[in-house]
Amino acid sequence: EPEVTQTPSHQVTQMGQEVILRCVPISNHLYFYWYRQILGQKVEFLVSFYNNEISEKSEIFDDQFSVERPDGSNFTLKIRSTKLEDSAMYFCASSWTSGADTQYFGPGTRLTVL
Amino acid sequence: AQSVTQLDSHVSVSEGTPVLLRCNYSSSYSPSLFWYVQHPNKGLQLLLKYTSAATLVKGINGFEAEFKKSETSFHLTKPSAHMSDAAEYFCVVSERAAGNKLTFGGGTRVLVKP
Repeated sequence: EPEVTQTPSHQVTQMGQEVILRCVPISNHLYFYWYRQILGQKVEFLVSFYNNEISEKSEIFDDQFSVERPDGSNFTLKIRSTKLEDSAMYFCASSWTSGADTQYFGPGTRLTVL
Repeated sequence: AQSVTQLDSHVSVSEGTPVLLRCNYSSSYSPSLFWYVQHPNKGLQLLLKYTSAATLVKGINGFEAEFKKSETSFHLTKPSAHMSDAAEYFCVVSERAAGNKLTFGGGTRVLVKP
């Protein structure tokens, strides 16, 4: 069964450094998402991406964040200058259509900012 | 705006007994509702979803949920718990007016005792 994959599974970085989290969505999906879960808090929506542009973003997704689909398979989340509060589990998801369509999630990348 | 409240942060059941995970939602429009499960060190897996068809929805692994509009609830049940059901469960809402964004409840951690 096709699945969403994410790398790395765990990333440790120093405050102020740039990180790139990588995701390979399911191959025929058209919509891509990033969510995050800070330890002990709810899973929060960050951004959705369709047709090579951001379709929606949350208040969390400020200028420090960017997303890209650099080729036909990868979908990346970049944090330009990490802060301590960026430490969280980051989940990538993809879906075939929008709205009520099921979003399929990857296993997550745990980001630790020191 | 959409929101989800999971009424129990932890539920403990004995193997072979019923499981009930409670979820209430708030939505301005006709919502789509989902239950996802997360096993330790795994991604979020879809258990079932409601998208305005039958109000009783059957999912994988013997789970089902009933959409009750009058009570704004979408409780998840299983007649007989299995040890492998120990995991965290998330109730999730999506509405067309909110785009592709999923809004998660806080999660319910299920412990299954032998």
